Amino acid sequence: GENVEQHPSTLSVQEGDSAVIKCTYSDSASNYFPWYKQELGKRPQLIIDIRSNVGEKKDQRIAVTLNKTAKHFSLHITETQPEDSAVYFCAALNSGYSTLTFGKGTMLLVSP
Amino acid sequence: ETGVTQTPRHLVMGMTNKKSLKCEQHLGHNAMYWYKQSAKKPLELMFVYSLEERVENNSVPSRFSPECPNSSHLFLHLHTLQPEDSALYLCASSSRDSSYEQYFGPGTRLTVT
Repeated sequence: GENVEQHPSTLSVQEGDSAVIKCTYSDSASNYFPWYKQELGKRPQLIIDIRSNVGEKKDQRIAVTLNKTAKHFSLHITETQPEDSAVYFCAALNSGYSTLTFGKGTMLLVSP
Repeated sequence: ETGVTQTPRHLVMGMTNKKSLKCEQHLGHNAMYWYKQSAKKPLELMFVYSLEERVENNSVPSRFSPECPNSSHLFLHLHTLQPEDSALYLCASSSRDSSYEQYFGPGTRLTVT
């Protein structure tokens, strides 16, 4: 089955800095890679996703890049704000069952 | 809250109790999922139902028993749980025909004493 590794487990940045979270996956047939944000005490919510037919996708201050050859994808947040503080999960679609395998999460703390 | 709802939000049960968690989705989706979220394994898939048929069971102990009576409702029946089963149990739903996006419920915080 799919295996997803996520790094770092915690990330502290100053407000206005950029933050990068990286994930690797094992199933070369995976073709869908979402990122979820989970604020403290709340449910995970999708913030951005990318399919394997593109290498990069942007939505305002967040972007995701995908390198299929190396089987890794990254989340980039620019001009971070305190409200970006949360746990971020990457995931990869399991090609066989259309289920998602999640990484272990990254706790992002943005200090004012 | 709309979309995906879960009840109860908090549950404390003894190891000999039997209880059930309920999930309901109002999004017209045809797939539903149970996840266990704990400090050790942040988002661990337990069960998947597609068109009310269980399609995946990730080696979950038999003390957890899912039930999907229709495409809008999902239950997780619990019996003789262990303290290590204490966790947040999240339900999610998706439309497997179009998008892979999963919509999560608010979760049930379970404590086994």
